Amino acid sequence: AQTVTQSQPEMSVQEAETVTLSCTYDTSENNYYLFWYKQPPSRQMILVIRQEAYKQQNATENRFSVNFQKAAKSFSLKISDSQLGDTAMYFCAFMSPPGTYKYIFGTGTRLKVLA
Amino acid sequence: GAVVSQHPSWVICKSGTSVKIECRSLDFQATTMFWYRQFPKQSLMLMATSNEGSKATYEQGVEKDKFLINHASLTLSTLTVTSAHPEDSSFYICSGVWRNEQFFGPGTRLTVL
Repeated sequence: AQTVTQSQPEMSVQEAETVTLSCTYDTSENNYYLFWYKQPPSRQMILVIRQEAYKQQNATENRFSVNFQKAAKSFSLKISDSQLGDTAMYFCAFMSPPGTYKYIFGTGTRLKVLA
Repeated sequence: GAVVSQHPSWVICKSGTSVKIECRSLDFQATTMFWYRQFPKQSLMLMATSNEGSKATYEQGVEKDKFLINHASLTLSTLTVTSAHPEDSSFYICSGVWRNEQFFGPGTRLTVL
C-alpha cells in the first residue's frame, strides 16, 4: 500500500525567508503524480504545485518549487520569499494511477510565517 | 479555477438523527466527485467516490449504509450521515475534477451531540 509521510508537524519561518517542507512516500508504482496542497484557516484546500513522476524536471510555480527525488521517494516543497499569507497547513498528496484522483494525503505540516 | 461549494458550512445535530451535506460544482460538470473526512489536526481520508447516475464506491472500512451518497446530477452530490453519533463528528470535504485538476469544497463541520 502507498503511504505518504510528512515528518515535520510544525514549522515557522520569518517573512521573506525561505523554508523547505519535507515529504516522503512509499510506492511500488512507477507512474504517479505528487501534489502539495495548502489549507489556510478558511479550510479550503488549494493546489500549490504538481509533479508528474515521469518528468525529471522539478516543478516550479512562482515562489514555490519542489525537489523531486524519485529514487529516494522524496518530494520536498521550497517556499521562497515567504509571505504572511503562506501561513497554513500544507499537505503532500500522492495519486496512482494517474487519472483516478484518489489521493493519499500526508499528515500535514503547519507552517507559520512570522512578521 | 473551478468552484466547488458545500452546504451547510457547519451543522450541529443530536445523536441518532440524520444529516445531509450537499456538494455542488458551480461552474463545471462533475461526473465524479469525492468525499473526504478530516479529523481535527489530521489528514484527509478518502471516504468514497461519487459517480453521477450510479452507485458510489466506498473505501475500505467506510460503512456505506451509514454514509449514504447520492450523485443525482452532474453538479450535485450529497452525503447523508445516518443515525449520527458523536464519533461521526468531523470535517467533511468534497471535491470534483475539472480539466485534470481536483478542486475542493470549503468543507462542512459536523458536530453530533
